[in-house]
Amino acid sequence: EPEVTQTPSHQVTQMGQEVILRCVPISNHLYFYWYRQILGQKVEFLVSFYNNEISEKSEIFDDQFSVERPDGSNFTLKIRSTKLEDSAMYFCASTYDRGQAGELFFGEGSRLTVL
Amino acid sequence: GESVGLHLPTLSVQEGDNSIINCAYSNSASDYFIWYKQESGKGPQFIIDIRSNMDKRQGQRVTVLLNKTVKHLSLQIAATQPGDSAVYFCAENLTGRRALTFGSGTRLQVQP
Repeated sequence: EPEVTQTPSHQVTQMGQEVILRCVPISNHLYFYWYRQILGQKVEFLVSFYNNEISEKSEIFDDQFSVERPDGSNFTLKIRSTKLEDSAMYFCASTYDRGQAGELFFGEGSRLTVL
Repeated sequence: GESVGLHLPTLSVQEGDNSIINCAYSNSASDYFIWYKQESGKGPQFIIDIRSNMDKRQGQRVTVLLNKTVKHLSLQIAATQPGDSAVYFCAENLTGRRALTFGSGTRLQVQP
């Protein structure tokens, strides 16, 4: 069964450092997302991406965040200068159908720990 | 403002019993609702969805009920199994938006 894969599974970084989280969405999917989940809290939307551009972003997704699809398979989330409060599990998700905004396929997440 | 919330943080049931997980939402503009299951160490997994023009939808062993009058959503799991043990999130979607707004989650514990 096709799945969304994410790397790394866990990254520890110092405050102020840049981090890149990588995702390989399901191959025929067209819509890509990043969500995050701070430990013990809700899953929060960060950004959606379609046709090589951001289609929607939340207030969390400020100037320190960026997304990119550098080739036909990878989808990356970059955090330019990490802060302590960026520590969370970051989930990549994808979907094929524009109409089914809710039927997302999530990866297993990348845990980011900022020290 | 928008909010999606859950009534109970933890639900413990006996194997074979039916489970009911509840969710309240406050934004009457929401027109699409989804239930996700999250097992430990994994990402959320889609279970079932329902649009606001319906009040009930059934899947395999799961049923979602939507009561728009009181802005309430529930997930019913029939014959609960140990493999159903997980955190369950409801989520809502607003017309024209890609973002899902998730609730805070209910942990379902299935006792053998």
